Amino acid sequence: DVVMTQTPPSLSVAIGQSVSISCKSSQSLVYSDGKTYLHWLLQSPGRSPKRLIYQVSNLGSGVPDRFSGTGSQKDFTLKISRVEAEDLGVYYCAQTTHFPNTFGAGTKLELK
Amino acid sequence: EVQLVESGGGLVQPGASLKLSCVASGFTFSDYWMSWVRQTPGKTMEWIGDIKYDGSYTNYAPSLKNRFTISRDNAKSTLYLQMSNVRSEDTATYYCTRRGYYSADFDYWGQGVMVTVSS
Repeated sequence: DVVMTQTPPSLSVAIGQSVSISCKSSQSLVYSDGKTYLHWLLQSPGRSPKRLIYQVSNLGSGVPDRFSGTGSQKDFTLKISRVEAEDLGVYYCAQTTHFPNTFGAGTKLELK
Repeated sequence: EVQLVESGGGLVQPGASLKLSCVASGFTFSDYWMSWVRQTPGKTMEWIGDIKYDGSYTNYAPSLKNRFTISRDNAKSTLYLQMSNVRSEDTATYYCTRRGYYSADFDYWGQGVMVTVSS
């Protein structure tokens, strides 16, 4: 199985600060069609996960442009510019290039 | 508005069977692949499997393939997860998810349903 390693496990931030979360995969996530199926999700406290970014860098519908995703092959980053209170929760990366699909362990974003 | 509403969870004894349902609305259910994903009490996310839009193909996590079965009824816009011979490690919140049409991600999630396996 493809192992997804997220760092850091937790982040303590102040409102307005910018943060980055890393996600590294044990295999390249480039599929035979040339696309990279690496996605980011946010689970706010007490809520179900919500799509943030799909295929590395595409923002989901309604997701503010404070969020951005970059990366390629095995190394990916989620950046949040100017963190707001609604951004708090657990961020997961997920890959759907390979079977079985797998998730990172999550990065918990908390208020400082 | 896309909505996915799971039901059928609860407390179940080891070795028993359980069937979860997920009713979809707000989109043409028969156009989309669907998946089940579970989240353990420790918050680990695990993909269970997928089903093709017409129900003709399924794909499962190898560790669950022999005990879990995904099916769908497009006439009822409903997705199912049949769980058999459940174990304590199946204790989790189970989410019904829609797969993005072109993106292949998990673009919408239900509210989740809790399954607790305990004697």
